[in-house]
Amino acid sequence: EVQLVESGGARVQPGGSLRLSCKVSGFTFSDYWMFWVRQVPGKGLEWVSNINIDGTIIRYADSVKGRFTISRDNAKNTVFLEMNGLRNDDTAVYYCARAFTLYHGMDVWGRGTTVTVSS
Amino acid sequence: SLELTQPPSVSVSPGQTTNITCSGNILPKQFAFWFQQRPGQAPVLVIYKDIERPSGIPGRFSGSTSGTVVTLTITGVQAEDEADYYCQSADYSGVSVIFGGGTKLTVL
Repeated sequence: EVQLVESGGARVQPGGSLRLSCKVSGFTFSDYWMFWVRQVPGKGLEWVSNINIDGTIIRYADSVKGRFTISRDNAKNTVFLEMNGLRNDDTAVYYCARAFTLYHGMDVWGRGTTVTVSS
Repeated sequence: SLELTQPPSVSVSPGQTTNITCSGNILPKQFAFWFQQRPGQAPVLVIYKDIERPSGIPGRFSGSTSGTVVTLTITGVQAEDEADYYCQSADYSGVSVIFGGGTKLTVL
């Protein structure tokens, strides 16, 4: 069974840091692009970042550029999102998702992990 | 900046057909994707590459495109289709992702 399981969400103070993980199973991880997408409860989806199969192509939303870092470990079937300088407006559910290519779309998503930034 | 615009809400009676539109200047140049999100659940891909339907998605879901507008059509709407629907595309590089604001579909 194909699964993506996010972890690492927590409550953190403004200015703090967190590292999210997304461990996958049931498919060949190194064949897929990986994405992080977040959603403030009651609001829409916001793309955060994506990374290609070997980590040589990475993109970030302007809202997180310079503060967040995406990476992947193909040996551990895991994609990471390092978040620094967290702000109140980073509070959201963070989903990871996969795509075989950018033209195939994000066809499998995890259930998400909640990040709360509050003093 | 690039934007995708969706109507905030759409209502339809069971068995009827509904169209959810998504407009944006990037759409003639990049593919569109559609996601369904039920309350408390992760999004589900229902259309990719403008018109393709993933395996396991019911045939009542279809996509179309015309210039700067893409449309998700649900034919014979069922109560279980009540959800939020998001369109998604990419920037000119094809790598950075753009989401529309989402459309809440209410089945009356």
